[in-house]
Amino acid sequence: EIVLTQSPATLSLSPGERATLSCGASQSVSSSYLAWYQQKPGLAPRLLIYDASSRATGIPDRFSGSGSGTDFTLTISRLEPEDFAVYYCQQYGSSPITFGQGTRLEIK
Amino acid sequence: QVQLQESGPGLVKPSGTLSLTCAVSGGSISSSNWWSWVRQPPGKGLEWIGEIYHSGSTNYNPSLKSRVTISVDKSKNQFSLKLSSVTAADTAVYYCARDPGILRKDAFDIWGQGTMVTVSS
Repeated sequence: EIVLTQSPATLSLSPGERATLSCGASQSVSSSYLAWYQQKPGLAPRLLIYDASSRATGIPDRFSGSGSGTDFTLTISRLEPEDFAVYYCQQYGSSPITFGQGTRLEIK
Repeated sequence: QVQLQESGPGLVKPSGTLSLTCAVSGGSISSSNWWSWVRQPPGKGLEWIGEIYHSGSTNYNPSLKSRVTISVDKSKNQFSLKLSSVTAADTAVYYCARDPGILRKDAFDIWGQGTMVTVSS
């Protein structure tokens, strides 16, 4: 099983700032099958990024993903008020599919 | 567009069996996709339970494999989850989700709204 470790656990920033979230894998993620999701309270996760760097339909271009192998990053270039939420990474290249424990992005 | 809707009892007794259904609308469950169940205990992260293809092929999380059965009903355009011998640790919001990949794996682009299941006597 591939274990995903997200850092930091909590990130405190202000609107307009740049956010950098990390996801480390215990072994190489096959074909960069790495996704990022955003989750707000009481709602289902929302797909932001798939295949490590491809934006999902309707996702603003301030969200970008990068990385390969075992190290991946989600960057939000300029935080908007609606971006404060919990973010999860997921690998879907190997079974079982696994998720990171999440990074909470909070308003400073 | 495709939508998913979970349904089932919100309360299950310890040692009982949790049973949920995910109805697929706006599209066919027989499309070349995998369909998954994911759960989230209160205040915690996401855990993948397992997936099914319309042919009936399944993959399960080894941590739950001995207690999980996922099945598909093409006539009703839905798939189902059964989790046996439940305990309080199985209390969670249960989501169904779609992997849209064709001939490859893909991220979950569509999710149901989730349904809360509490295990308690």
